[in-house]
Amino acid sequence: GAGVSQSPSNKVTEKGKDVELRCDPISGHTALYWYRQSLGQGLEFLIYFQGNSAPDKSGLPSDRFSAERTGGSVSTLTIQRTQQEDSAVYLCASSLVGGGGVETQYFGPGTRLLVL
Amino acid sequence: AQSVTQLDSQVPVFEEAPVELRCNYSSSVSVYLFWYVQYPNQGLQLLLKYLSGSTLVKGINGFEAEFNKSQTSFHLRKPSVHISDTAEYFCAVSLNSGYSTLTFGKGTMLLVSP
Repeated sequence: GAGVSQSPSNKVTEKGKDVELRCDPISGHTALYWYRQSLGQGLEFLIYFQGNSAPDKSGLPSDRFSAERTGGSVSTLTIQRTQQEDSAVYLCASSLVGGGGVETQYFGPGTRLLVL
Repeated sequence: AQSVTQLDSQVPVFEEAPVELRCNYSSSVSVYLFWYVQYPNQGLQLLLKYLSGSTLVKGINGFEAEFNKSQTSFHLRKPSVHISDTAEYFCAVSLNSGYSTLTFGKGTMLLVSP
């Protein structure tokens, strides 16, 4: 597609359940980023992929959070044993090469997660 | 580590009035600076960025920003806003050497009313 896509657009789950969020980056973009947007917290960096490897996982808030990327394209962010504080909008972005701050990151519309 | 402060969480303004959204950053090394806009229920879209050169940067939709190194600021301005400019605006910074991700401010909600 022309832009970054994310699915689902909305997800409601019960506390303790696992969820998977999907990101399809722009075709040909080697760098992929996950961010979390919480009310009053702005955007927090979670993880950065260069190809299929993740050289920077420093933003993942706990070991309940993990992510993978396959084929240098689609990425999945998994949250295990969800907690209410995980409720947020999860944004994915991609850029052409990555690794440096000069590149423009292109964002998807986000997945709005609500943990009851 | 770098950080970004957006001093105003909300800025209400009337249509056709000028607006300035403030952004200050902190970093021990040189940075790149960005402004992104997020319309309701959409992802972020790049408005403009400062990499080097002229400190006055022009972006899309009539927005511009000025990099002031001495004041560590990168304020966003528009001389005349439209209803359609109602959105949340995020200032972001990245380091200009080596690997760096974006560090965002908490955002400023611009509310344009008739």
